[in-house]
Amino acid sequence: AQRVTQPEKLLSVFKGAPVELKCNYSYSGSPELFWYVQYSRQRLQLLLRHISRESIKGFTADLNKGETSFHLKKPFAQEEDSAMYYCALRSDSGAGSYQLTFGKGTKLSVIP
Amino acid sequence: NAGVTQTPKFQVLKTGQSMTLQCAQDMNHEYMSWYRQDPGMGLRLIHYSVGAGITDQGEVPNGYNVSRSTTEDFPLRLLSAAPSQTSVYFCASSYSGIRRGSRSYNSPLHFGNGTRLTVT
Repeated sequence: AQRVTQPEKLLSVFKGAPVELKCNYSYSGSPELFWYVQYSRQRLQLLLRHISRESIKGFTADLNKGETSFHLKKPFAQEEDSAMYYCALRSDSGAGSYQLTFGKGTKLSVIP
Repeated sequence: NAGVTQTPKFQVLKTGQSMTLQCAQDMNHEYMSWYRQDPGMGLRLIHYSVGAGITDQGEVPNGYNVSRSTTEDFPLRLLSAAPSQTSVYFCASSYSGIRRGSRSYNSPLHFGNGTRLTVT
């Protein structure tokens, strides 16, 4: 069974400080990893996808298969980064290649 | 494109009442799904469909029914509402995507705005 673990429910950082949101996963195959962001009372939006290797809004994430991690990082936090962040995993076959398994989320609060 | 549209935005039900949450997408996505979002639980998959006429259960299907008569619509029915079904419900869709090397990747999930349901 696949599982996504986000160990921090809440992360508070000061504006301008570095941010790292942790995500670890367990899956025996070759997964695809995502970060979704949800601003207050809005829909979930895709932030990053590991196959795209992009930097979105200053965030980056690298898939580390050895450590089974996909941590989200940003060098300098901004107040507008305050939101709920979800790490998600997609398996590599069948119907699972569509659906996502989500972590429980980390609420990021950036203090002015 | 309107994307994924969910109605209603808010709903209050009494225990035992039934209702249908509507979800429609105009992107011709073959995959559609329903998640519920609860504090401290993240998002959990209720039901999903990989095409018209095909549905299957997710992680937490009890108390919910779905149907997929068209590609566009994927309604979620609560047969007899219970307080435990108080939650925010998200519909999401996806399509067959791109190839990178030897592997195909489906598109990311596109989410609706959510329906906030309270059962008293």
